[in-house]
Amino acid sequence: DAGVIQSPRHEVTEMGQEVTLRCKPISGHNSLFWYRQTMMRGLELLIYFNNNVPIDDSGMPEDRFSAKMPNASFSTLKIQPSEPRDSAVYFCASSRTGETQYFGPGTRLLVL
Amino acid sequence: GEDVEQSLFLSVREGDSSVINCTYTDSSSTYLYWYKQEPGAGLQLLTYIFSNMDMKQDQRLTVLLNKKDKHLSLRIADTQTGDSAIYFCASTGGGNKLTFGTGTQLKVEL
Repeated sequence: DAGVIQSPRHEVTEMGQEVTLRCKPISGHNSLFWYRQTMMRGLELLIYFNNNVPIDDSGMPEDRFSAKMPNASFSTLKIQPSEPRDSAVYFCASSRTGETQYFGPGTRLLVL
Repeated sequence: GEDVEQSLFLSVREGDSSVINCTYTDSSSTYLYWYKQEPGAGLQLLTYIFSNMDMKQDQRLTVLLNKKDKHLSLRIADTQTGDSAIYFCASTGGGNKLTFGTGTQLKVEL
């Protein structure tokens, strides 16, 4: 069974550029989560979807961040414009509703 | 909101037992989880316990839950160098959301 797939695994970009992170959840899972991990703030939930619908986006830091889930097998997290303080590891996780979350390998983002 | 706390660092000798502790605030948490993160990797689910259980054992791992004190612990028997990692405690409050602790870095020395 393929786990949660994220791409790219590493991204280096310059301040002001648009960044798009991608996630493919585990087949059959209907909940999808985006997290950000930094040394200073630990693991933070940014947004989660249930059946492709955003349920809670209270963790999205500001309007520069947006997330979509056009279908059950794909989600994107976009940062536009990116800033150096967005540098972090971004994780996607999926689950069946109310059950255990399984994490992807993460995307390491560095904004110069 | 929910608050989950862990000590930041634990050092043990290879072959000893490790005990990683966690406290949480939301008494309505239904599941409590332990995840392991190795350097440069994602979070790997280690084990979980349902809130109506006191203990769960899975090979070298033992999870103890004290609901009255809202205290969760993870015991690793016969700790090996491959167990060196960061261990995260997480609880489910209402709905699907997980709240994570800060993580405990376990260092296993020879």
